[in-house]
This record gives sequence, structure tokens and C-alpha cells, in this order.
Amino acid sequence: EVQLVESGGDLVQPGGSLRLSCAASEFTFSNYAMTWVRQAPGKGLEWVSAIIPSGGSTYYSDSVKGRFTISRDNSKSTLYLQMNSLRAEDTAVYYCARGQNYYEIWGQGTMVTVSS
Amino acid sequence: EIVLTQSPATLSLSPGERATLSCRASQSVSSYLAWYQQKPDQAPRLLIYDASNRATGIPARFSGSGSGTDFTLTISSLEPEDFAVYYCHQRSNWPRTFGQGTKLEIK
Repeated sequence: EVQLVESGGDLVQPGGSLRLSCAASEFTFSNYAMTWVRQAPGKGLEWVSAIIPSGGSTYYSDSVKGRFTISRDNSKSTLYLQMNSLRAEDTAVYYCARGQNYYEIWGQGTMVTVSS
Repeated sequence: EIVLTQSPATLSLSPGERATLSCRASQSVSSYLAWYQQKPDQAPRLLIYDASNRATGIPARFSGSGSGTDFTLTISSLEPEDFAVYYCHQRSNWPRTFGQGTKLEIK
């Protein structure tokens, strides 16, 4: 079964850092662009970042640009999101999704809470 | 960035009725618009891509239309499992963006 599994969510203090991972299985990870989408508690979906299959191009929302870094390790079929200078407004469930245009495959999400 | 505005915010209907959800873009996105359904504590599910193409396994009661700045998702006859939140999403420009969502609730 094609699957994405996120991990790394945690409680972190404002200004802190966290790295999320998304492990892919049962498809050729290196053939697909990947995307992070987040959802604050009780709120809507917010597109965060995307990366092309080679990792050579990355894209970010204005709200995270300069603080978050998306990357991938195709040899490990894993997507990452390095989050620095975290703020309270970054509190959300973070989903990884397959693709850069439309997202047919999603993970179950990992919760990030930024609070003192 | 392209802003997507969905209306109404909440739609109250009964099973068997027809649902019409709207999404308006702040500038043309051509036909590069998708619709997602999300139920509580679940990841979103892709329903429609490129404005009018149903994703794999999506029932025929779901249809999409529109181009440019105005788009519609129609559910022809509501089933109990269709009550959820629906989001539109554009892939025309970076950064990608989502609408704020329409909650479809049981009347």
C-alpha cells in the first residue's frame, strides 16, 4: 500500500527548532515532488512548502520563508522539514503529501505545538 | 500570492439535496484548481483536479466546473458521508494556496 508516515512533531518553546520527517513506502519516491501542508487547530489548510524530485528546486509560503527548509533523501525515501525560529502561530498538524500540483496521497499528520 | 475565497462558509442541507460550493480566485488560475474533502481527524482527500476531473475512486455525484477566477463544486445528491469540510486549491502559481473552506453540515 502506498503510504506516507510523518514523525517528529513535539512541544517546543518559541524560538526553538524542530525537524519533521515523512517516510514514503510502496512507490518510487525519487520520481515525485513532495509537499508539506499544515492545519492549525480548528482552522483550514495552509500550504507550506514543496520540493521537486531531484531536490534542486524548493518553494515556500511567505509565512515560513527564511525559517523553514524542505529537503529530501531519495536513498531513504524520506522528506524533511527543518523548522527554525518557531512561533506560536506555527502550531499545527503538519501533513506531507505526494506531488507538487495535486495531492492524492497524504500522511496522517504530526502535531507541532509551539508554547512556553 | 493568489487568494482563494470560498462561499458560503457554511452550507446546511439534507441528504438527497444538491450542494453547490463556490471558489473565487483573486486572479486567473486558468483551469488549475482542485477540490478536497476533509472529515474530522482525517487527512484531506482529493476529489477534483484541473477544475473538472474526478480523482481516482471519486463517485460521479461529485462534479467540478469553472475556469479563470470562478469555480464550482457540485454534489448532485448528498449522501450522509458527504457532510464534511471542502477546500479549493490552486496550482497555477507559487506559492500554492488553499481557500478557507466550506463546511457542509446536515440540516
